[in-house]
Amino acid sequence: GAGVSQTPSNKVTEKGKYVELRCDPISGHTALYWYRQSLGQGPEFLIYFQGTGAADDSGLPNDRFFAVRPEGSVSTLKIQRTERGDSAVYLCASSPYFDGREQYFGPGTRLTVT
Amino acid sequence: AQKITQTQPGMFVQEKEAVTLDCTYDTSDPSYGLFWYKQPSSGEMIFLIYQGSYDQQNATEGRYSLNFQKARKSANLVISASQLGDSAMYFCAMREGVQGGSEKLVFGKGTKLTVNP
Repeated sequence: GAGVSQTPSNKVTEKGKYVELRCDPISGHTALYWYRQSLGQGPEFLIYFQGTGAADDSGLPNDRFFAVRPEGSVSTLKIQRTERGDSAVYLCASSPYFDGREQYFGPGTRLTVT
Repeated sequence: AQKITQTQPGMFVQEKEAVTLDCTYDTSDPSYGLFWYKQPSSGEMIFLIYQGSYDQQNATEGRYSLNFQKARKSANLVISASQLGDSAMYFCAMREGVQGGSEKLVFGKGTKLTVNP
């Protein structure tokens, strides 16, 4: 079956612009996670959805970052007024389990802010 | 303080030999889960193995086993019979509060494994 997909695979934007990153989880997975991975580091948690609601958004770095999952499936991570420090790979994961075991990751979106 | 520590930035192993990747963790929560993920150069994170803090036996999945030493707070990954395709970054991760707690994973900085022919 289809895995987690993320679009676009690469995004280059200018400082100050707005970007949207999309995640399509595995069908039927109720839990969805966003992580950010900077070069040479492990992924860093951003936000977790259980169904349509954000159950934990404690990892969002500031109010320029926002994520939605309106119908409990596809999620969009939105970044306003991008800064060069936002450059990273943004990973999305989904899980069929309430306890987050076996999070299945997508290929990521590489965001470059120039 | 770092919750997950991987002290080996890089490791080398000969094909067909076993290798151990180290991971120590820090938590005061009695209920937690430990994970290992593989990240090849393609970038996708691949789940390898999971160990719950209350699991009595060490987890095993094919050539992967987790050497769980609770008192030492270590969760080392053992890969047996290494293959060239095992060359990748390996990340240890922890989830605290398994029962009703946060679902986020906290990752270490990773170990780059290179398997030599």
